[in-house]
Amino acid sequence: KNQVEQSPQSLIILEGKNCTLQCNYTVSPFSNLRWYKQDTGRGPVSLTIMTFSENTKSNGRYTATLDADTKQSSLHITASQLSDSASYICVVTSLHASGGSYIPTFGRGTSLIVHP
Amino acid sequence: DAGVIQSPRHEVTEMGQEVTLRCKPISGHDYLFWYRQTMMRGLELLIYFNNNVPIDDSGMPEDRFSAKMPNASFSTLKIQPSEPRDSAVYFCASSQGLADTQYFGPGTRLTVL
Repeated sequence: KNQVEQSPQSLIILEGKNCTLQCNYTVSPFSNLRWYKQDTGRGPVSLTIMTFSENTKSNGRYTATLDADTKQSSLHITASQLSDSASYICVVTSLHASGGSYIPTFGRGTSLIVHP
Repeated sequence: DAGVIQSPRHEVTEMGQEVTLRCKPISGHDYLFWYRQTMMRGLELLIYFNNNVPIDDSGMPEDRFSAKMPNASFSTLKIQPSEPRDSAVYFCASSQGLADTQYFGPGTRLTVL
């Protein structure tokens, strides 16, 4: 069964500090891994999309890594800001070429709170 | 572009009533997705369309749920009859390609009493 596990479930840090969120998955076949940021009461916003061959991808202060061998990904946030307070969701996608089907498996998210 | 537009933003209805959620995707996007988010189950894909054609509706929970995309700029998700367990936030998203960035709308918060 395809699964995506995120840790920690919640995290509290002080403004200006760095943090790393984890995503472990058992999804096959693998197509890509996506990180989303979801502010309270808003829709998810895409941060990064990584394919099998990509190890690192950055989007401003957000850097995602992918180890396809160990099936692990991390999202590193540098110099956190109050606006980083949100839920961060990891999604691993299968794409079945024969049928062209898009099959996402969602993590439950990490809730990050940044305190001043 | 204004992004993905959803309406209504909030809907409160009584059990047994019909509910229709609406979505306008980003112009030029070929794919449209409907998702549901609850505290218990997180995000779930319900159905997605390619060029207005439903491709995979295996995530639609029951026959009470139906979705249509009559043209490239409009889609609906209908629940008839609604039940309290349908209470959730329903998101619409669109993308240019299947592997491309998906842009989510603000969601419709549905409460079924």
